[in-house]
Amino acid sequence: QKEVEQDPGPLSVPEGAIVSLNCTYSNSAFQYFMWYRQYSRKGPELLMYTYSSGNKEDGRFTAQVDKSSKYISLFIRDSQPSDSATYLCAMNWGNNRLAFGKGNQVVVIP
Amino acid sequence: EAEVAQSPRYKITEKSQAVAFWCDPISGHATLYWYRQILGQGPELLVQFQDESVVDDSQLPKDRFSAERLKGVDSTLKIQPAELGDSAMYLCASSPVASGGTYEQYFGPGTRLTVT
Repeated sequence: QKEVEQDPGPLSVPEGAIVSLNCTYSNSAFQYFMWYRQYSRKGPELLMYTYSSGNKEDGRFTAQVDKSSKYISLFIRDSQPSDSATYLCAMNWGNNRLAFGKGNQVVVIP
Repeated sequence: EAEVAQSPRYKITEKSQAVAFWCDPISGHATLYWYRQILGQGPELLVQFQDESVVDDSQLPKDRFSAERLKGVDSTLKIQPAELGDSAMYLCASSPVASGGTYEQYFGPGTRLTVT
C-alpha cells in the first residue's frame, strides 16, 4: 500500500462547476499537507499548504484536512478553463521529503 | 521572479547510452532535490542534497544513477547505462532549508527523457 492514495481518474467539468479532489494517506506521522498544480510539460507549483486539520481558503480554492480520517480534499469553486491541469496532493512529516499522490487530470470545458 | 533552471528540456537516447541532466536551483537555496515522474504518476524523490552533501539517496538506483552537487550550487544527475524503464520526466526542485520544518519546494520545468 502506497503512503498516499489519489484516484488518478481524469475529471471533466463544465466551466463554473465545483471541482472536488481528494487523497487518503496511511502514515499518521504526516503533518504538512499540500496541493500542487502541474500544467502540461511544466513542473509542479505549490497551490495550497496546510498544517492542521480544518479548512483553508485562498480565493476560489479550499483545502480541507481531516487527520482523524487521514483524508484531505481540494475544492475549486467557479472553475475556469485556466484551471485545467493535473492536481497532485503531497504530504510530509517535517523533513521536507514529500510523498505525492498520482495526480488527477482536470479538464474544465468552456 | 527566480526560477529553477533545468537542461536539456527533452532528451532522446538509446538504451545502454549515458545521459546527464543539469539543474541550477534558485539562488541561495541550500536544499536541492531530484525527482522522477513516470507518466501518470506523482513525482518520486531520487536524491536530496543539503548544500553539497547528500542527505537522502535511499531511492536512487545507485548501480546506474549518480548525482553530484560539487560546490553546493548547481547539480548534475547521470544515468549510465540508460534502460527503457528510465523513460520519465526528471524534475529538479529547491528550497531554502531542509531541517527543522518544511518549506516550499520550487520545481523546475523538468527534463523529459525517452529511452529507445
